[in-house]
Amino acid sequence: DGGITQSPKYLFRKEGQNVTLSCEQNLNHDAMYWYRQDPGQGLRLIYYSQIVNDFQKGDIAEGYSVSREKKESFPLTVTSAQKNPTAFYLCASSDRDRVSSTYSGNTIYFGEGSWLTVV
Amino acid sequence: AQSVAQPEDQVNVAEGNPLTVKCTYSVSGNPYLFWYVQYPNRGLQFLLKYITGDNLVKGSYGFEAEFNKSQTSFHLKKPSALVSDSALYFCAVIAPTSGYSTLTFGKGTMLLVSP
Repeated sequence: DGGITQSPKYLFRKEGQNVTLSCEQNLNHDAMYWYRQDPGQGLRLIYYSQIVNDFQKGDIAEGYSVSREKKESFPLTVTSAQKNPTAFYLCASSDRDRVSSTYSGNTIYFGEGSWLTVV
Repeated sequence: AQSVAQPEDQVNVAEGNPLTVKCTYSVSGNPYLFWYVQYPNRGLQFLLKYITGDNLVKGSYGFEAEFNKSQTSFHLKKPSALVSDSALYFCAVIAPTSGYSTLTFGKGTMLLVSP
């Protein structure tokens, strides 16, 4: 099946530990995104990437890092510098409009999310 | 700046009644508008979007939304609610002519449909 796969579904992090959330897509989409969801705050953009080997900070990038070595993969590392990492993390992807080369009007598709809890 | 407001944290409606989930936006330039739905412990599912053209947009599961430029609104509607419509609904906006390249989401509205 085509889609976006996030793993693991549940992850526990100890204080001072870095953890990595996996995101893989087989939709052949150019752009990938990481969002954080907290109750009552909606979705906030952490990082996004529109092409391999390039990525941009979103609104809340501090304490997070990403890589985009392959088109289909966009892992997110939550570092020890992120002081309040407990949240639901959502990976997403979208295609690029072949005429305008923009992503603006194209639909973003989401994975099933990963829960990260600090213990 | 681009922003989205969903003024209601929760909307309650009885099954079979029409439902409306409100969304207003603030952008510079022409907006592209989206609605997504999220079921508990799941990712977001795309419902519909407005890019250009007819102000009334029809989407998945019988939902529709009306773009109103003068009121800067994009309310989500359904003529007859189902209990299975109970979920968290997000409105999102992007205004590419203002320099933004990513969506901005509202805080979400919980829809509860009672039997």
